[in-house]
Amino acid sequence: DIQMTQSPSTLSASVGDRVTITCRASQSIGTWLAWYQQKPGKAPRLLIYQASSLESGVPSRFSGSGSGTEFTLTISSLQPDDFATYYCQDYTRFYTFGQGTKLEIK
Amino acid sequence: EVQLVESGGGLVKPGGSLRLSCAASGFTFNTAWMRWARQAPGKGLEWVGLIRSKIDGESSNYAAPVRGRFTISRDDSQNMMYLQMNSLRTEDTAVYYCTTDGGGRHGELAHWGQGTLVTVSP
Repeated sequence: DIQMTQSPSTLSASVGDRVTITCRASQSIGTWLAWYQQKPGKAPRLLIYQASSLESGVPSRFSGSGSGTEFTLTISSLQPDDFATYYCQDYTRFYTFGQGTKLEIK
Repeated sequence: EVQLVESGGGLVKPGGSLRLSCAASGFTFNTAWMRWARQAPGKGLEWVGLIRSKIDGESSNYAAPVRGRFTISRDDSQNMMYLQMNSLRTEDTAVYYCTTDGGGRHGELAHWGQGTLVTVSP
């Protein structure tokens, strides 16, 4: 099975900061990579699909990049609503999630 | 609007069985691949399994931890998906989510239900 490794596990940042989260796949997955945001007690929300495509309704401050085994999610200017946990997911055959990155207020 | 509503969660003893249901609406259910994911308390997301559409063979795949114990099925006439869970273990305790790309996409999980809690405890 493919392993997905996110870094960092926890990220402390302030409103207005630019932040980047990295996701590495144990083998090449092309661009079959999605990013989700999850808030406590809520279902995940799709942000980015096919590594860099912005889901409808998601603010443009979110962006994704990468291919093969290395991917990034960038939030260009953090807003109060962005403090949450973020997950990457491979959706080739195994649909494996990364372990999550908790974005906290500094 | 796409809606996914899970039901059937509850408390069950180790070794027991439970069947979860997912009622779907707002998209063409019979062409969509449907999936289950779960999240143990305080932990990350874990993919459980998927079932393909009838036209794609209605076959299913499962994550290693549940393979051989869990079975996914669907009833396209009712727009329903099911997760039959047998030989439950304490480590199966989690919120179980019904999720789908809604059809016509490539597997990114654009739609999620609110989740149903399964607790496996003596």
